[in-house]
Amino acid sequence: GAGVSQSPRYKVAKRGRDVALRCDSISGHVTLYWYRQTLGQGSEVLTYSQSDAQRDKSGRPSGRFSAERPERSVSTLKIQRTEQGDSAVYLCASSPRGFWAGRGLYEQYFGPGTRLTVT
Amino acid sequence: QKEVEQDPGPLSVPEGAIVSLNCTYSNSAFQYFMWYRQYSRKGPELLMYTYSSGNKEDGRFTAQVDKSSKYISLFIRDSQPSDSATYLCAMKGSNYQLIWGAGTKLIIKP
Repeated sequence: GAGVSQSPRYKVAKRGRDVALRCDSISGHVTLYWYRQTLGQGSEVLTYSQSDAQRDKSGRPSGRFSAERPERSVSTLKIQRTEQGDSAVYLCASSPRGFWAGRGLYEQYFGPGTRLTVT
Repeated sequence: QKEVEQDPGPLSVPEGAIVSLNCTYSNSAFQYFMWYRQYSRKGPELLMYTYSSGNKEDGRFTAQVDKSSKYISLFIRDSQPSDSATYLCAMKGSNYQLIWGAGTKLIIKP
């Protein structure tokens, strides 16, 4: 069946502009995660949401990151006032399990990512 | 200091060799331990997960956890060129989130 898809695959933005990245998760999955992956630094979770209960992980890097989930299987990661340090690959992952369930952590299905370059 | 340390490599070995990939971690509260494989321009895919110390085998892959040393390993037997990818370790942290290593780039030479 269809996996997790992300669009666009590549995005170039000028510093200071806002960007929106889209994720289409697997139908029926309940939890959706957004990660930022940088070379040599690894991945860090930005936000996660479960069904219609939105939870954002705030803190690092800052409140400039937020996610909306207009439909159960669609999420949009919004980055406000982009900075050069935001250049990274943004990964979306969905899970058929709630994030309170241990298996929900590793039963995640990842999209191919959006490579964002901030100039 | 990062919570999870992983050598970024690249690690280059000849086809058929046994590969050893490792991560160390600092938080003794970490529980679930996972290994993901990520091909270029793709998202990570789960290879194996373990909970307790010891070994877990799945085909050519063996995951090993040593909680006393805070050290985990992934062994790949009879390595193939198709195993060339970046291998990421991950662990369950607080708040039900994954803490990731930086990933080791593995190159299997035919």
